[in-house]
Amino acid sequence: ETGVTQTPRHLVMGMTNKKSLKCEQHLGHNAMYWYKQSAKKPLELMFVYNFKEQTENNSVPSRFSPECPNSSHLFLHLHTLQPEDSALYLCASSQGVGGSYEQYFGPGTRLTVT
Amino acid sequence: GQQLNQSPQSMFIQEGEDVSMNCTSSSIFNTWLWYKQEPGEGPVLLIALYKAGELTSNGRLTAQFGITRKDSFLNISASIPSDVGIYFCAGREGGADGLTFGKGTHLIIQP
Repeated sequence: ETGVTQTPRHLVMGMTNKKSLKCEQHLGHNAMYWYKQSAKKPLELMFVYNFKEQTENNSVPSRFSPECPNSSHLFLHLHTLQPEDSALYLCASSQGVGGSYEQYFGPGTRLTVT
Repeated sequence: GQQLNQSPQSMFIQEGEDVSMNCTSSSIFNTWLWYKQEPGEGPVLLIALYKAGELTSNGRLTAQFGITRKDSFLNISASIPSDVGIYFCAGREGGADGLTFGKGTHLIIQP
């Protein structure tokens, strides 16, 4: 148990659906991240938030829309996804950004787009 | 974007053997981290390195931050069955908020 929870753990959605992934951290951290983990590829950074402000968007398509209402919660809103978006979506948090701050990951949401 | 070359891709070893894996980068990193991921879970942080030349241990695990700041290695001594999993290196370049990950080393322990 790392102190970062994600729901749902599994999600199957059609290409025309709209769904949201939720992440919550109980570590008192100020920074939160979304990563995508696809088969046979390295984890890819998607978004970074620090004190609720987005500090990094790694050229992610607009069909992925993040939201960070406070430092403890992070959402990833999904709409009109493609089958190639099927992957494990991981949330992480850290005390701050950059420097020596260590990132702690949640268990991920396994997303399947049909 | 920046990529990390992690090797080997997979390792098949006998219980009790020592394990060594490494990561290299074409650019300088300020931080190196090693994570382990088991099926159905997110990566779990094993060791964090912040200074060139730093050698850090966590139980049977030892990792080093290369002098050139472009590489790192992880050693596991006297492997046991629960060491099975995928080990990832990750690095942070100066000024970056997020981490760059290697593709992982899949460790399989044969009885």
